[in-house]
Amino acid sequence: GAVVSQHPSWVICKSGTSVKIECRSLDFQATTMFWYRQFPKQSLMLMATSNEGSKATYEQGVEKDKFLINHASLTLSTLTVTSAHPEDSSFYICSAPGSRDNEKLFFGSGTQLSVL
Amino acid sequence: AQSVTQLGSHVSVSEGALVLLRCNYSSSVPPYLFWYVQYPNQGLQLLLKYTSAATLVKGINGFEAEFKKSETSFHLTKPSAHMSDAAEYFCAVSSGGYQKVTFGTGTKLQVIP
Repeated sequence: GAVVSQHPSWVICKSGTSVKIECRSLDFQATTMFWYRQFPKQSLMLMATSNEGSKATYEQGVEKDKFLINHASLTLSTLTVTSAHPEDSSFYICSAPGSRDNEKLFFGSGTQLSVL
Repeated sequence: AQSVTQLGSHVSVSEGALVLLRCNYSSSVPPYLFWYVQYPNQGLQLLLKYTSAATLVKGINGFEAEFKKSETSFHLTKPSAHMSDAAEYFCAVSSGGYQKVTFGTGTKLQVIP
């Protein structure tokens, strides 16, 4: 079945540095990729929707200059957390709709970001 | 606007016992409802979905959920828990397919041998 591969699974970085998270769709083309963030004991919150070849759409309250999203190909979307701060520490997860089943989302395994 | 409430962040059941994970939703339009499961170190996987067809939905691994409009509920059940069912379960709602899916806070299921 369709798989979304997400890397890295965890990352620790110093405050002020940037971190890139990659999501690749394996065996299918992902024209759309959703990026979520989950704080402990809270639900997954949609941050932004990336579309291949166009600008990402950000949810209200999400800083587009801080969370840079690039979706340059049909199989790769990246989220870069720029100038990360401790409050950015969270679990980030991507998902893409299946090409054959529009109701079905395929999720990456998530990235746990810890900013010191 | 749409939202999902999952009652109980942790649920413990004995192996072989009934599993009941509760989910209530709020939606201004007829909802699409989903249950996802997340095993440790893995991404979320779709267990089952309701998309305005039969109100009793059967999913993978023996799970099922019933859409009850009058109660705005979509509780997940399994007659007999197995050790391999231990995972975190997320209820989700959307107004149309995968668009703008809203997730609940998750329920961690523990199965006691």
